[in-house]
Amino acid sequence: DAMVIQNPRYQVTQFGKPVTLSCSQTLNHNVMYWYQQKSSQAPKLLFHYYDKDFNNEADTPDNFQSRRPNTSFCFLDIRSPGLGDAAMYLCATSRVRGAFNEQYFGPGTRLTVT
Amino acid sequence: SQQGEEDPQALSIQEGENATMNCSYKTSINNLQWYRQNSGRGLVHLILIRSNEREKHSGRLRVTLDTSKKSSSLLITASRAADTASYFCATAGSNDYKLSFGAGTTVTVRA
Repeated sequence: DAMVIQNPRYQVTQFGKPVTLSCSQTLNHNVMYWYQQKSSQAPKLLFHYYDKDFNNEADTPDNFQSRRPNTSFCFLDIRSPGLGDAAMYLCATSRVRGAFNEQYFGPGTRLTVT
Repeated sequence: SQQGEEDPQALSIQEGENATMNCSYKTSINNLQWYRQNSGRGLVHLILIRSNEREKHSGRLRVTLDTSKKSSSLLITASRAADTASYFCATAGSNDYKLSFGAGTTVTVRA
């Protein structure tokens, strides 16, 4: 089945220690998104790639970076995680960029910062 | 920024009952989508309703949209234990590539 895969499902990192979360998709979708979701809150868009074009949200901290080496893979790098970065990180894809496209989500990576 | 607001925040019903949740939003939209999130998992797309549509059905789901009131409702009929999840509405504007999610309604279906 075509899908969005996230690894790892659970990640524990130390305060200030860089961490990378990964996302892969077999849907061959052009757009990939990274969301941060804290407990009982709405998912918050951090950035997205439209093909190779990177789009950062205005309020995404500089601490968060992303890479998309090819269509299938996208990475979220957190350079110096703080306690406030503990959250669920969701990767999503859509076939093209536009208002009518539904998004397909991965299962998420729950990040704990100690 | 968060555009949609769901109401109620939490809902507990008996299996077989219907569950209704509402979503209100602030600015004009191109379409509104509903997603389900099981505990600790990603979101799953349920249904999309366009701004020129008033009602849409998918299986046991019924969605309505009232653009004059800037509100939508999601009805789940004959609920099952497997419907226990959080339900999010998300809006997309005319020129928007992104979805603005509400904080969700948590539905618990008791056996």
